[in-house]
Amino acid sequence: SQQGEEDPQALSIQEGENATMNCSYKTSINNLQWYRQNSGRGLVHLILIRSNEREKHSGRLRVTLDTSKKSSSLLITASRAADTASYFCVAYSGAGSYQLTFGKGTKLSVIP
Amino acid sequence: GAGVSQSPSNKVTEKGKDVELRCDPISGHTALYWYRQSLGQGLEFLIYFQGNSAPDKSGLPSDRFSAERTGGSVSTLTIQRTQQEDSAVYLCASSLARPSSYGYTFGSGTRLTVV
Repeated sequence: SQQGEEDPQALSIQEGENATMNCSYKTSINNLQWYRQNSGRGLVHLILIRSNEREKHSGRLRVTLDTSKKSSSLLITASRAADTASYFCVAYSGAGSYQLTFGKGTKLSVIP
Repeated sequence: GAGVSQSPSNKVTEKGKDVELRCDPISGHTALYWYRQSLGQGLEFLIYFQGNSAPDKSGLPSDRFSAERTGGSVSTLTIQRTQQEDSAVYLCASSLARPSSYGYTFGSGTRLTVV
């Protein structure tokens, strides 16, 4: 896989607002995955979007993928304090390697 | 179990001692990964096991680090002669041989503190 680069590095919003995080990558992909990490422990897989998909929804999460710009965005609507976490994207090339390479993530703080 | 289990959840050890960290992956998952995350940093790949193939050890930071996976299931990461810079959260993940729509499943990690 290749490393996705998340932007911004940190984001602070009020509860109820929407949060948007972006991810950029460099070469062609098979799929792109978003993960959440609470309090520096285990990561939780949130959503996977395939290269032939443009948008995907899961509850309050909306992910878009623009392969022409090699970028993806994660939108969390109506944020809650419990959404406070670090969010990581992984761009998976599928070219015979099953390694996942993580960037430094976006640290989201939702203020009650 | 239903998830990836890691033990211990926390470990404090004295500099110079050896430690063993354990990972019990999801049953049926042939791929197993170890990552390390230092405070405030991203995840650093350490080692990857896939079935009976030779592991990809390219991420191990020094020869003090080793890992094995017995019977294609449980894995143990061993750090010999621990140093303070080894302090980090060590994360284990498992997956089916080919990534599915469910991605990779991570354990809760072992927080290692070397004093």
